[in-house]
Amino acid sequence: DTGVSQDPRHKITKRGQNVTFRCDPISEHNRLYWYRQTLGQGPEFLTYFQNEAQLEKSRLLSDRFSAERPKGSFSTLEIQRTEQGDSAMYLCASSYREYYGYTFGSGTRLTVV
Amino acid sequence: GQQLNQSPQSMFIQEGEDVSMNCTSSSIFNTWLWYKQDPGEGPVLLIALYKAGELTSNGRLTAQFGTTRKDSFLNISASIPSDVGIYFCAGLLGSARQLTFGSGTQLTVLP
Repeated sequence: DTGVSQDPRHKITKRGQNVTFRCDPISEHNRLYWYRQTLGQGPEFLTYFQNEAQLEKSRLLSDRFSAERPKGSFSTLEIQRTEQGDSAMYLCASSYREYYGYTFGSGTRLTVV
Repeated sequence: GQQLNQSPQSMFIQEGEDVSMNCTSSSIFNTWLWYKQDPGEGPVLLIALYKAGELTSNGRLTAQFGTTRKDSFLNISASIPSDVGIYFCAGLLGSARQLTFGSGTQLTVLP
């Protein structure tokens, strides 16, 4: 069990640029989740995959955000035309069954300047 | 927005003291989870609760799922310096697959 891996750990980008984050879940976990966490707050749900199917999306996930999990393994989260309000920690989590709790990765800290 | 009210927001305690924090909601949750988050890291699961009234321990940590299914508490006994961090409650609401998190309790343990 190597845990949930996220890359990069930190990303600084200029406003208007596109960024892409990667998440590698625990290998036997078929469920994958993306959350966003701003300073002083708990994580907020963005989207959920079961295998390769994206089954739920939060209203926080605007049209500038897109997530994929092409082969039901790793996932990517892309933000287009970044805005300063996108600055946050983006957390990925995975689980085998949702009622056994999630395992979170260490997150990608995005700073938009 | 957040649907869980977590308190207190922060705590300063002496090493060796016991700590208690709780979460309440106006909604019924069918699973409660408690996480700890260190700076720059993702949350780490401490305890999971699946049934109303359930009381579960994990070492010095004890958590309970309230009988009304609208609240939960976490106790830490005999605190040590490595207990420092932010503690989050989180719940699964109905058939939803996403966790709803509280706003966290920042714990500081003084030597």
